[in-house]
Amino acid sequence: SQKIEQNSEALNIQEGKTATLTCNYTNYSPAYLQWYRQDPGRGPVFLLLIRENEKEKRKERLKVTFDTTLKQSLFHITASQPADSATYLCALDFGTGKLIFGQGTTLQVKP
Amino acid sequence: GAVVSQHPSRVICKSGTSVKIECRSLDFQATTMFWYRQFPKQSLMLMATSNEGSKATYEQGVEKDKFLINHASLTLSTLTVTSAHPEDSSFYICSASVGGASTDTQYFGPGTRLTVL
Repeated sequence: SQKIEQNSEALNIQEGKTATLTCNYTNYSPAYLQWYRQDPGRGPVFLLLIRENEKEKRKERLKVTFDTTLKQSLFHITASQPADSATYLCALDFGTGKLIFGQGTTLQVKP
Repeated sequence: GAVVSQHPSRVICKSGTSVKIECRSLDFQATTMFWYRQFPKQSLMLMATSNEGSKATYEQGVEKDKFLINHASLTLSTLTVTSAHPEDSSFYICSASVGGASTDTQYFGPGTRLTVL
């Protein structure tokens, strides 16, 4: 069955540094891969979508890469701020509109 | 724009009772709404997909007679947990999408915390 692996350990970084989060998956590559932010006790908020034929996508301080050979997506936040502290989820979509979520990685940005 | 609300935000009920959770898209019409469940420290698991005016499609392992979904309008979907048991205690989250396609953004509600005693 399809598995998604996100680092379950929290990522702690200093303000101003670049945070890099990893999403690895097994078996088939999705047609779309999405990243979401989730704050405690809240629903996820959409951040970025990248297609399988795209290598990289950017939005302001965010950058996502998608490597179907490695079966991996990297999510970068540059010039990180304490307000970026949250759990970040990757989600796979195989073209049906249905999302399969990873467990998420918690990011803590220290001032 | 693109706000999705859920009501109630928290509910505590006794075992054996039924609980209804509402999901509303406040400023757009949602052809498709999705219902997820999230246990502590775990990922969101899709329970079912509902399209306005038609029956919901349930994911494997989700009992359709236990989790009743109604999507009667383009702005409202409801999830009713029937005969709730303590193992149904979870965080229930809905999302709404204009069209339900992969490139249509899913806007998530704030979630409903259900505790069954």
